[in-house]
Amino acid sequence: DIQMTQSPSAMSASVGDRVTITCRASQDISNYLAWFQQKPGKVPKRLIYAASSLQSGVPSRFSGGGSGTEFTLTISSLQPEDFATYYCLQHNSYPFTFGPGTKVDIK
Amino acid sequence: EVQLVESGGGLVQPGGSLRLSCSASGFTFSSYAMHWVRQAPGKGLEYVSAIISNGGSTYYTDSVKGRFTISRDNSKNTLYLQMSSLRAEDTAVYYCVKSQRVSAFDIWGQGTMVTVSS
Repeated sequence: DIQMTQSPSAMSASVGDRVTITCRASQDISNYLAWFQQKPGKVPKRLIYAASSLQSGVPSRFSGGGSGTEFTLTISSLQPEDFATYYCLQHNSYPFTFGPGTKVDIK
Repeated sequence: EVQLVESGGGLVQPGGSLRLSCSASGFTFSSYAMHWVRQAPGKGLEYVSAIISNGGSTYYTDSVKGRFTISRDNSKNTLYLQMSSLRAEDTAVYYCVKSQRVSAFDIWGQGTMVTVSS
């Protein structure tokens, strides 16, 4: 099975900060990588698919990059509503696997 | 409106069984792979199982192999997860999710809670 790691596992940031989260796969997954945002008690929300395609309706301050084994999610200017936990998901081969998550909270 | 609605969760004793259902609407159910994802209280997302569009292939994460069975009825637009030999560590919110090869996991249900406890 493909293992996914994320870094950092948690971070404190301020409104307006540029934030980058990294996701690494244990083997090449091409661009079959998605990013999700989850707030407490809520259903996960897809932000990015195919590594870099922005989900319709998601603010343009979110962007995704990478291919192969290393991927990034960048928030260009953190907003109050962005404080949440972020997960990556590889869907290149079964069983699909999620990263352990990155919690972004207020500094 | 594209929608997934899970049902069937509840409290079950260790070793017991439960069947979850996920009713789909607003899209051509038979054209999409479907998945189950779970989240234990206070924990991250865990991929559980998948079934391809025609039901011909199924996949499971190691921790549920031999205990859980995924199935679908395309005539009823419904996805199922039969869970047996349940353990305390299976306690979680279970989500059904729609997917396709490139645009994965775009639609999620609201989730159904499964609690395994005596």
